[in-house]
Amino acid sequence: KNEVEQSPQNLTAQEGEFITINCSYSVGISALHWLQQHPGGGIVSLFMLSSGKKKHGRLIATINIQEKHSSLHITASHPRDSAVYICAVRSLGGGADGLTFGKGTHLIIQP
Amino acid sequence: DTGVSQDPRHKITKRGQNVTFRCDPISEHNRLYWYRQTLGQGPEFLTYFQNEAQLEKSRLLSDRFSAERPKGSFSTLEIQRTEQGDSAMYLCASRPNRDSYTFGSGTRLTVV
Repeated sequence: KNEVEQSPQNLTAQEGEFITINCSYSVGISALHWLQQHPGGGIVSLFMLSSGKKKHGRLIATINIQEKHSSLHITASHPRDSAVYICAVRSLGGGADGLTFGKGTHLIIQP
Repeated sequence: DTGVSQDPRHKITKRGQNVTFRCDPISEHNRLYWYRQTLGQGPEFLTYFQNEAQLEKSRLLSDRFSAERPKGSFSTLEIQRTEQGDSAMYLCASRPNRDSYTFGSGTRLTVV
């Protein structure tokens, strides 16, 4: 059982649509990250959240700590937004200092 | 370029050979992480360093794997006696104490 679950696994949408990707986690966390991975493997950090909401351009990320849930929204989606979006959490307390990742959401935006 | 650099980008090796990957983090980042990602999965934590000290190792890191960060700057990840199951993308990331992570582009390993 993965500690971080994302939905949907795959999403195809038309250019201009509003996109929502969801992330649920089962452990106490100190921070949640949204990452973007393009073909070829490189990962770009989009947001780091510990509470509330953050916005950067057309991207919005929200987190509800009580419900252990986060969402990533893309407004006015564009084909260049096509990528894998990964949610990752850093757990509270002891253990590895690294991130625990979801499996990712493969997003395709069609022109 | 002030990002995280990984070398090589791609490596094809025969089963049983040893391979070594290098990661050059952002210079002021004291924390360095190695992750492994197989096809269709999210990355999995392997190990991390704070400066030159290796503070945590995942149970995924078998005896055939070793990582070093000798001077607290670049890091190497060595896999001995490679197996086909080692084929994956190996990702390096670094960060300062409390800020976000910066990832490298990864080294894609194919064991044939």
